[in-house]
Amino acid sequence: QKEVEQNSGPLSVPEGAIASLNCTYSDRGSQSFFWYRQYSGKSPELIMFIYSNGDKEDGRFTAQLNKASQYVSLLIRDSQPSDSATYLCAVSPLSGTYKYIFGTGTRLKVLA
Amino acid sequence: DGGITQSPKYLFRKEGQNVTLSCEQNLNHDAMYWYRQDPGQGLRLIYYSQIVNDFQKGDIAEGYSVSREKKESFPLTVTSAQKNPTAFYLCASSIGGASTDTQYFGPGTRLTVL
Repeated sequence: QKEVEQNSGPLSVPEGAIASLNCTYSDRGSQSFFWYRQYSGKSPELIMFIYSNGDKEDGRFTAQLNKASQYVSLLIRDSQPSDSATYLCAVSPLSGTYKYIFGTGTRLKVLA
Repeated sequence: DGGITQSPKYLFRKEGQNVTLSCEQNLNHDAMYWYRQDPGQGLRLIYYSQIVNDFQKGDIAEGYSVSREKKESFPLTVTSAQKNPTAFYLCASSIGGASTDTQYFGPGTRLTVL
């Protein structure tokens, strides 16, 4: 059973701090990794994706991928109360299927 | 504006009733997907379609049916055989069906069984 694991949280950080969200996956052949943000009662919206080992930055967000250790993380710098949401990690396998495997999400609370 | 629309936003179903959830996209995407989200669980794939007139079962297809007669539309029917249909239903689409293609989500339909 291919799995994607996330700590459900809540992860509480003060405003202006760095929030670090982590995701581990079991399928070593996975090749694509996505982070979505989901506000309560709303649908997921894409934050960023990463395919290669290392870091990828987009504004206040940085995704980090380590395929050898099978984890992907999302850093949010200068966290704002508006960042308070659930963050979903999605992993796409190498096998060529169209399926993402989603984690259950980490709830982030940014305290003003 | 390009995007994905789902209707209705809220839907109430009586026991033994079939209901159909609408999903339309004007992004010219080939692939479309239906997910179900329950509290405390990740999104679970119900059905997906890579091209018109073709679709595949996902992980939890029992009690659901779909059609893909047009590229823009991928309706989901929740049949009376689905014993626990109360959930948040999300439709998504992607340019193609490659695993690297990003999936974009519609606003969702919240289904409640009365």
